[in-house]
Amino acid sequence: AQSVTQLDSQVPVFEEAPVELRCNYSSSVSVYLFWYVQYPNQGLQLLLKYLSGSTLVKGINGFEAEFNKSQTSFHLRKPSVHISDTAEYFCAVSPMNRDDKIIFGKGTRLHILP
Amino acid sequence: DAGVIQSPRHEVTEMGQEVTLRCKPISGHNSLFWYRQTMMRGLELLIYFNNNVPIDDSGMPEDRFSAKMPNASFSTLKIQPSEPRDSAVYFCASSLTGQGAGNTIYFGEGSWLTVV
Repeated sequence: AQSVTQLDSQVPVFEEAPVELRCNYSSSVSVYLFWYVQYPNQGLQLLLKYLSGSTLVKGINGFEAEFNKSQTSFHLRKPSVHISDTAEYFCAVSPMNRDDKIIFGKGTRLHILP
Repeated sequence: DAGVIQSPRHEVTEMGQEVTLRCKPISGHNSLFWYRQTMMRGLELLIYFNNNVPIDDSGMPEDRFSAKMPNASFSTLKIQPSEPRDSAVYFCASSLTGQGAGNTIYFGEGSWLTVV
């Protein structure tokens, strides 16, 4: 079975400051890793995903994440946030089997302070 | 490209009434999902269809909930009778094939249900 933990339910950060949203996962088998973003009053959309290859994955809107197998982490980072990044961010673990359930974290709300 | 289309976007109904939520997945996608999102429970998978066949309905809360997918381009989620605790945002989502195996899941904008 897989699980995913987002330790921070809310993260306040000043505009133009860097941010890191933490995600740790647990799995006894190989998995794929995702970050989804949910803007206010919208559905979730893919930010980035790690399938294989380079452990540093670049996504939309200047976000990137690094897969660290030894620490079972997939933290999301952005060097300089903008007010438009205000959203909830979900880390997710996807199993190898097509029909098995993707596991979403509980989400981290990113608050951008002016 | 049209994304996942849901209707209605907002619904307010009285307890005991039937509620029907509708979804049109992205054309060419073989898998469809219904999720429910609340503050208390977060994002929950209710049911997963592949090629119009329910594969996993273990998340459907009780017999008051039912979902159908009569063809590749349409699905419904029905609640009968509705209760106040059903108030939530219901998302329909689709993917090329499956929820695992690295598939990207594409979400609709949600149906905001309030049962009073």
